[in-house]
Amino acid sequence: QKEVEQNSGPLSVPEGAIASLNCTYSDRVSQSFFWYRQYSGKSPELIMSIYSNGDKEDGRFTAQLNKASQYVSLLIRDSQPSDSATYLCAVKGLPGGSYIPTFGRGTSLIVHP
Amino acid sequence: GAGVSQSPSNKVTEKGKDVELRCDPISGHTALYWYRQSLGQGLEFLIYFQGNSAPDKSGLPSDRFSAERTGGSVSTLTIQRTQQEDSAVYLCASSPDRDREQYFGPGTRLTVT
Repeated sequence: QKEVEQNSGPLSVPEGAIASLNCTYSDRVSQSFFWYRQYSGKSPELIMSIYSNGDKEDGRFTAQLNKASQYVSLLIRDSQPSDSATYLCAVKGLPGGSYIPTFGRGTSLIVHP
Repeated sequence: GAGVSQSPSNKVTEKGKDVELRCDPISGHTALYWYRQSLGQGLEFLIYFQGNSAPDKSGLPSDRFSAERTGGSVSTLTIQRTQQEDSAVYLCASSPDRDREQYFGPGTRLTVT
């Protein structure tokens, strides 16, 4: 059974710093990986998707995937107080396997001025 | 374009009553998911629809819960004989395809008194 693990935090970083959020998963055949941001009282919002090993950058966000180590991370550069939220990692399986994503419990990020 | 919409945004019902929650996915999205999230908890998968295939109901917590998706578009989640433990935010998400990212609706907050 797939499991997705995240440090619950809170992770506290000063404004302008790099926030590093990590996620490990137990299913070697997982192929699709996603990061979502969830503000308190709101629904999850997609930040990034990544499907192949390496880095993928979008503005201040960089997702990093290492399938051999079963590890996906999200870097937030120049963190802002508005980035304070819970960040959810989600993993989907292969074609032919389960398309039901497994979500981590999320990491709470606090960016302080 | 229009995102995923859900109605109602809030629903208060008495224990034992039936409720229907509606989800309008993004046009053209073939996959649709229902989740629930209790206060301070993670996402709990309920049911998954993919195109015209039979839904994956493996996450439904009891036979009081059911869902349908008409014409491959709008979905309704029905909870019969509601219990207090059913109180949660019910989230709907749609995906362009089964291995792609999900887009969440704003959710329906259900309170059973």
